[in-house]
Amino acid sequence: GIQVEQSPPDLILQEGANSTLRCNFSDSVNNLQWFHQNPWGQLINLFYIPSGTKQNGRLSATTVATERYSLLYISSSQTTDSGVYFCAVDTGFQKLVFGTGTRLLVSP
Amino acid sequence: DVKVTQSSRYLVKRTGEKVFLECVQDMDHENMFWYRQDPGLGLRLIYFSYDVKMKEKGDIPEGYSVSREKKERFSLILESASTNQTSMYLCASRDTTNYGYTFGSGTRLTVV
Repeated sequence: GIQVEQSPPDLILQEGANSTLRCNFSDSVNNLQWFHQNPWGQLINLFYIPSGTKQNGRLSATTVATERYSLLYISSSQTTDSGVYFCAVDTGFQKLVFGTGTRLLVSP
Repeated sequence: DVKVTQSSRYLVKRTGEKVFLECVQDMDHENMFWYRQDPGLGLRLIYFSYDVKMKEKGDIPEGYSVSREKKERFSLILESASTNQTSMYLCASRDTTNYGYTFGSGTRLTVV
């Protein structure tokens, strides 16, 4: 099956710093999504981005489908950005395969 | 605001018990999913459902079954709970018009 790898596994930032999270996938995908899981376990859908670039406030994402990777950018990080960021892909069978996540800690 | 509600936040069950995890969505979504989350493994799909009375196995269906008698409700059943089913269970529904997923807040199940 498709492999989804995320890097780095852990990231510690000072408030106000910028960061880039990466997601590599091993096969063509119909669907790629980014999620944020807050410290209380709630998963929030950030982006649906099978290709191209999208922005939502301080967050933006870019997927280069032909090179099989996606990037999530967090600018001016805040403590509320802490949690785990997951990339998930769908190869066309309507089920998402998740990466193992990047754990982000933003300190004040 | 759309919602996916899981009936229990924490659950402790004994080995061998039959366990029901309930999930209800209020968005009229056709697709619903059950995942389990374990440290270092991310989220893994157990079962999903395209529509009422339809179900498909995910990547780790062994030891589980599901029921979808009504569109809004998707139940996960552990036929005979075992300690290796101790995990966080997450239910989700999907909007097929924009691929948006909404997750419930999860049920942390401990089997003793």
